[in-house]
Amino acid sequence: DTAVSQTPKYLVTQMGNDKSIKCEQNLGHDTMYWYKQDSKKFLKIMFSYNNKELIINETVPNRFSPKSPDKAHLNLHINSLELGDSAVYFCASSPLLSRRPLTGELFFGEGSRLTVL
Amino acid sequence: GENVEQHPSTLSVQEGDSAVIKCTYSDSASNYFPWYKQELGKGPQLIIDIRSNVGEKKDQRIAVTLNKTAKHFSLHITETQPEDSAVYFCAAETNAGKSTFGDGTTLTVKP
Repeated sequence: DTAVSQTPKYLVTQMGNDKSIKCEQNLGHDTMYWYKQDSKKFLKIMFSYNNKELIINETVPNRFSPKSPDKAHLNLHINSLELGDSAVYFCASSPLLSRRPLTGELFFGEGSRLTVL
Repeated sequence: GENVEQHPSTLSVQEGDSAVIKCTYSDSASNYFPWYKQELGKGPQLIIDIRSNVGEKKDQRIAVTLNKTAKHFSLHITETQPEDSAVYFCAAETNAGKSTFGDGTTLTVKP
């Protein structure tokens, strides 16, 4: 079974459209993340949720809205897509934020490649 | 906020040689330093990590060293093999649970 699964794996859409990427983890982790990887392979954190509560919100346009219906799911909805949103979006989860020490390994999904035309 | 710099951005070695990737960080509160390997079309995967109370850690052909005073840490891969070819990321994490990644190093191991 895949530990962190994202759907869809590929997404091609027109500028101005609204799209969602779904993420689920079956590791029992409390914390989930969205990362964006651009064409230069740079990995930047976008959001982090701990037990359905938003704890990290980087400088991301408010067209991006994460939603966590339960601690095993973290979805990313993007409104009014722009060309610059084209990237690979990675979901990740981590086990240790709910207790001290807080740091711990990230488990990444396989990524969702978004192409905006 | 935390700033992580990683060098070199590309590294090409002959099979059997060693590879070294270096990272520096800025936030003295960072206390966890993982290294991730990303193969083509895959998500990053942890290969080794080190915490701030340890200076060195080794796992078979890979090792990581940490100098907290100088705020730098390094990944060492010995006896490189073609399957080691990938993009490697260092990261620094604070107790807030936020990992800041370096910009990545593309390692190519030539047979």
